[in-house]
Amino acid sequence: QVQLVQSGAEVKKPGASVKVSCKASGYIFTNHVINWVRQAPGQRLEWMGWISAGNGNTKYLQKFQGRVTITRDTSTSTSYLELNSLRSEDTAVYYCTRDASPDSRFSFWYFDLWGRGTLVTVSS
Amino acid sequence: SYVLTQPPSVSVAPGQTAKITCGGSDIGNKNVHWYQQKPGQAPVLVVYDDGDRPSGIPERFSGSNSGNTATLTISWVEVGDEADFCCQVWDNNTDHAVFGGGTKLTVL
Repeated sequence: QVQLVQSGAEVKKPGASVKVSCKASGYIFTNHVINWVRQAPGQRLEWMGWISAGNGNTKYLQKFQGRVTITRDTSTSTSYLELNSLRSEDTAVYYCTRDASPDSRFSFWYFDLWGRGTLVTVSS
Repeated sequence: SYVLTQPPSVSVAPGQTAKITCGGSDIGNKNVHWYQQKPGQAPVLVVYDDGDRPSGIPERFSGSNSGNTATLTISWVEVGDEADFCCQVWDNNTDHAVFGGGTKLTVL
């Protein structure tokens, strides 16, 4: 079954870090780009960045530069999102999602497979 | 940065046609993609590249895009179509994905 399975909900204090995982199955992991998108309560989806599962290249939204790291482990077909210096505004559901292009060297810039999301709550 | 504007809500009766708009500056020159999101579930791609459908998505879902407005059309609306729908483009100027604010479709 083609799917992305994400790690469970997290509760963190301000200033802490969180690392969310996204395990792919049912397709060749290295053939696609993985994007990370978040949705704060009552807000629109917000794209955070992507990683090529093939070569590990990354790109991040400028507002997260220096605070976010996206990685992947090809041996386990898993992508990770790490966000540092958490603040209350980072409370959101974090989704991993797959670019529809079957070649990780190129992107179609839309997303044909999504994980179920990971709720990250930042609260003192 | 690029902004996509959607109406907060659209209501239709079962069997009718729902039209959900997505406004953006010269959006007709971009590829627009649409996602359906039901409460507590992950988004699902229903239309890509303005009007193409992924496999498994009913023909009732269609899309168009011209000028400053893209439109998702759902024909013969069913109760099970109730969800939030959001549009998405890739902003080549800033090189990142942009999402609309979402439209809640209510089937009366």
